[in-house]
Amino acid sequence: DAGVTQSPTHLIKTRGQQVTLRCSPKSGHDTVSWYQQALGQGPQFIFQYYEEEERQRGNFPDRFSGHQFPNYSSELNVNALLLGDSALYLCASSQDRTLQNEQFFGPGTRLTVL
Amino acid sequence: AQSVSQHNHHVILSEAASLELGCNYSYGGTVNLFWYVQYPGQHLQLLLKYFSGDPLVKGIKGFEAEFIKSKFSFNLRKPSVQWSDTAEYFCAVNAGNSGGYQKVTFGTGTKLQVIP
Repeated sequence: DAGVTQSPTHLIKTRGQQVTLRCSPKSGHDTVSWYQQALGQGPQFIFQYYEEEERQRGNFPDRFSGHQFPNYSSELNVNALLLGDSALYLCASSQDRTLQNEQFFGPGTRLTVL
Repeated sequence: AQSVSQHNHHVILSEAASLELGCNYSYGGTVNLFWYVQYPGQHLQLLLKYFSGDPLVKGIKGFEAEFIKSKFSFNLRKPSVQWSDTAEYFCAVNAGNSGGYQKVTFGTGTKLQVIP
């Protein structure tokens, strides 16, 4: 079992650009959540996808959007990048859409915005 | 909205010392509580969780945590730390039911350094 995988590992963009991050959940998991972890901070919940729909959202602007595919994999899109979007983006998967049980985290994508 | 506070940002202990990391949350309703750990170079992984029942929960590697509802706390403890416990520890709360879907809020983390 490969666990949760994310791509790319690192990414460098400039302000105003758009970026797409990808996540494949752990086998058997149907729920994917995305988190932003700024340096020295804990992960902040961006949104959760289940059955290809966004089910819950944190306090992030509409520049942050996502998608879940029929195979449960997911993408995070960020438009009009700002310097403050520089962070580690974590994907987590679960087989429990209520997130009351364990989430399995991927290694993250380190995004740097110049 | 729920929030989580971890009061200790950086803790340094000698091996065999006892550990207690503080975690307080703010939310008036039913919560699920978690401690996650991130060892150097590894992914975040679950250490233990509280769902219901016995407020004293035991996790992996000898860790335990006690849920005290009246104090809105979920402190992590270990009687005797080892060098291999060096890691960053995150407290998290799952609350805020919206149509059966909930969001997880993490604290800012506590970096634990254990000196041999």
